[in-house]
Amino acid sequence: DIQMTQSPSSLSASVGDRVTITCRASQSISRYLNWYQQTPGKAPKLLIYAASSLQSGVPSRFSGSGSGTDFTLTISSLQPEDFATYYCQQSYSSPWTFGQGTKVEIK
Amino acid sequence: EVQLVESGGGLVQPGGSLRLSCAASGFTFSSYAMSWVRQAPGKGLEWVSAISGGGDSTYYADTVKGRFTISRDNSKNTLYLQMNSLRAEDTAVYYCAKSSTVTTPLKNWFDPWGQGTLVTVSS
Repeated sequence: DIQMTQSPSSLSASVGDRVTITCRASQSISRYLNWYQQTPGKAPKLLIYAASSLQSGVPSRFSGSGSGTDFTLTISSLQPEDFATYYCQQSYSSPWTFGQGTKVEIK
Repeated sequence: EVQLVESGGGLVQPGGSLRLSCAASGFTFSSYAMSWVRQAPGKGLEWVSAISGGGDSTYYADTVKGRFTISRDNSKNTLYLQMNSLRAEDTAVYYCAKSSTVTTPLKNWFDPWGQGTLVTVSS
């Protein structure tokens, strides 16, 4: 199985900050990496697919990059509604695995 | 609008069974693979099972293989998860999610997700 490791596990940031979350795969997954956002009590929501493609309706302050084993999710200017937990997920091979999550909290 | 609505969760004793349903609307159900993904209380996301659009191919996580069965009824636009021999560690919110291709979640993504249904395995 491909292991996905996110860092950090949590972070504190202020509105307007630039935030970067890293996801590392245990083997190369090309660009088959997706990012999801989950707020408490809600279902996950797709933000980024195929490493860098922005899902329709997602604000442009979210961006993704990377290939192979190392990927990043960047929020260019953190907004109040962005305080949530973010998960990466590989779709390169079954079983389709997720990172452990990164919780973005208000400083 | 694409919509997925899960049902069937509840409290069940260890060793018991439960069947979850996911009613889909707003898209051509048979044209897309579907998956179940679960989240234990306070924990992360775990993919559980997937099925192709035609229902002819199924996939399972090792943690549920042999105990859970995924199926679909394309005439009713409904996805199912039959869960047998339930264990305490199966306690979770179970989400259904749509893939972007007909075959498998391979090399694509889960979008959208339903609101989830809670399964609690406890005596």
